[in-house]
Amino acid sequence: NAGVTQTPKFQVLKTGQSMTLQCAQDMNHEYMSWYRQDPGMGLRLIHYSVGAGITDQGEVPNGYNVSRSTTEDFPLRLLSAAPSQTSVYFCASSLLAGEYYNEQFFGPGTRLTVL
Amino acid sequence: EDKVVQSPLSLVVHEGDTVTLNCSYEVTNFRSLLWYKQEKKAPTFLFMLTSSGIEKKSGRLSSILDKKELFSILNITATQTGDSAVYLCAVENSGYALNFGKGTSLLVTP
Repeated sequence: NAGVTQTPKFQVLKTGQSMTLQCAQDMNHEYMSWYRQDPGMGLRLIHYSVGAGITDQGEVPNGYNVSRSTTEDFPLRLLSAAPSQTSVYFCASSLLAGEYYNEQFFGPGTRLTVL
Repeated sequence: EDKVVQSPLSLVVHEGDTVTLNCSYEVTNFRSLLWYKQEKKAPTFLFMLTSSGIEKKSGRLSSILDKKELFSILNITATQTGDSAVYLCAVENSGYALNFGKGTSLLVTP
C-alpha cells in the first residue's frame, strides 16, 4: 500500500513551459485534491475531484488544469508556467463517507521552481 | 467568501508548558473542521470535528469545536520538543472543498 505518491519531487521550469505533476493513490479514495503551499500562506486549494470524471475548481485554479479519468490518478497540468507558480504542490486523497471520512492523506509534495 | 483565521501565527514555549491554538472560521454550509500537523513535509491528520462540544483526544492533544461561536481550539499539554511544527486548521464546506488557515508555527524549547 503506497498511499499517495507524487512525481516528480523537484522540478525547474522556464517561463512558458508546460508540464504535468503526477498524483496517484492506491486506497480507492473517491476524493482527490491539489494544493499549493507558499511561505506564510498555508495551503490553498487549486482543484479537487469527488470521483472519476468529476472535477471542480478550488480557491486558486487559474493557470492549472486537471482531469480524473480513473479513481487512482489525478494529474495537475501547468499550461504555461509563470514565476508566480513557484511553490510546493501537495496532492491529497480521502474517503467521502464512513468512519474514516475526510481523513486526508497527503503525498510527499513536489517543489516547483519557475525561472 | 469562506475564511479561516488561526491565532497566534507563531508561538514559542518551554517544554512542559500547555498551549492553546485557535481557529475561527466563516464558511457557507459548514460540514467539518480538521486539524493537521506539518513538520517540514506533508501535513498529517490529527482530528476531524463535526459536532459542537464533543472533545476529541489523542494522548496529550485535544480539540473541541463551537459551531455557535464558529471556532475551534487545539490544546497540547506537557509539550515536548517533538511537538514543534506548524499546526493547520481547515474547514470543509458542503461541496467537499477544504479551506485552510495560514497555520500556527509552534516552537517548543528544551
